[in-house]
Amino acid sequence: AQKITQTQPGMFVQEKEAVTLDCTYDTSDPSYGLFWYKQPSSGEMIFLIYQGSYDQQNATEGRYSLNFQKARKSANLVISASQLGDSAMYFCAMRDHTGGGNKLTFGTGTQLKVEL
Amino acid sequence: AAGVIQSPRHLIKEKRETATLKCYPIPRHDTVYWYQQGPGQDPQFLISFYEKMQSDKGSIPDRFSAQQFSDYHSELNMSSLELGDSALYFCASSFDRKSYEQYFGPGTRLTVT
Repeated sequence: AQKITQTQPGMFVQEKEAVTLDCTYDTSDPSYGLFWYKQPSSGEMIFLIYQGSYDQQNATEGRYSLNFQKARKSANLVISASQLGDSAMYFCAMRDHTGGGNKLTFGTGTQLKVEL
Repeated sequence: AAGVIQSPRHLIKEKRETATLKCYPIPRHDTVYWYQQGPGQDPQFLISFYEKMQSDKGSIPDRFSAQQFSDYHSELNMSSLELGDSALYFCASSFDRKSYEQYFGPGTRLTVT
């Protein structure tokens, strides 16, 4: 079975600083994909970034980058130059091929608060 | 660009009532996933559909049923509602079953009193 672990229930960061949100995973599937989603207090799930297990380079999307360390089974999200609008819950997720589709297994999330 | 539409956005029901949640995927997306997110919890996969057939099933109670219609919209039917069914219900769609990109709708917040 696949498992996503996020060990930081809450994080604080000062505006304009960088912050790293941790995510480790466990899977026996040689082909997998990892996602990060942002969930503001309004509730919607916003896709941030995706990393495939065979991707040679770490994924980047604007201020978001994914520090993918395959041997350590970690896929940490780095947010650079934090903004007040980054305050939200962040979920790491993995796609699960069992059943033939691509359902997502989520971690428990990290609540990020950006302070002035 | 068109996004996933969910209706209603908010729903209040009493215990033992029934509820129907609707999901309209992005045009040309034939795969729909349903997730349930309890208060303070991570989203849990309920069920998925591909080309109008059930594709995969997760931790969906027997009191719940779902289907995907010919126009690819999906409905989640919930009967004998319990207090523990209070949650945010997300629908996500993807281009096909093999596509890894899932586009989430805004969710339906169900409150059972």
